[in-house]
Amino acid sequence: EADIYQTPRYLVIGTGKKITLECSQTMGHDKMYWYQQDPGMELHLIHYSYGVNSTEKGDLSSESTVSRIRTEHFPLTLESARPSHTSQYLCASSEPRLAGDTQYFGPGTRLTVL
Amino acid sequence: AQKITQTQPGMFVQEKEAVTLDCTYDTSDQSYGLFWYKQPSSGEMIFLIYQGSYDEQNATEGRYSLNFQKARKSANLVISASQLGDSAMYFCAMMASDSNYQLIWGAGTKLIIKP
Repeated sequence: EADIYQTPRYLVIGTGKKITLECSQTMGHDKMYWYQQDPGMELHLIHYSYGVNSTEKGDLSSESTVSRIRTEHFPLTLESARPSHTSQYLCASSEPRLAGDTQYFGPGTRLTVL
Repeated sequence: AQKITQTQPGMFVQEKEAVTLDCTYDTSDQSYGLFWYKQPSSGEMIFLIYQGSYDEQNATEGRYSLNFQKARKSANLVISASQLGDSAMYFCAMMASDSNYQLIWGAGTKLIIKP
């Protein structure tokens, strides 16, 4: 099982501010992911990485950007937060299996943009 | 196209009863993985159980078991002897090569255990 950490857990911020959501994992997993989830709704993949210096956009268009300079660290940045960015952001890393990697999630960051 | 369908938006179950959460999937791949996750009101997503398409036995993890019926393309989660702490959202997900090995998620089922 992965140890995966996200900070902050909760963030309330004004429109136009730049924010970075932190995600770190200690299991040495190559693959990491960011999801956006509105309350009670399904998850939407916004970014993923297969390793250092590898980042890809997911199915859901997002104004955020990510970086992967170190294996254990996968931060997400919003250059200018807007109320439409209000949501929960979940970070995950995955452990390979024969047919399908198992993703383990951090506790999430609940973002509210005023 | 790959798809996960969870037909039960919400369920009420009496404590200590067994509960079955439905999940059907659609993929043209022969090799795929099926997953169930639990999301309490606190928001974290907790991995529960995994079933590979080539696994002949149904997966079990403690009180959780996965009723895998390949021909029907169903992967129902069974929770035995439900507890109040089982109240949460439950998501079914699938990973296959035709989804570029990304998880495809169902819409979730909200389970409430009644004392």
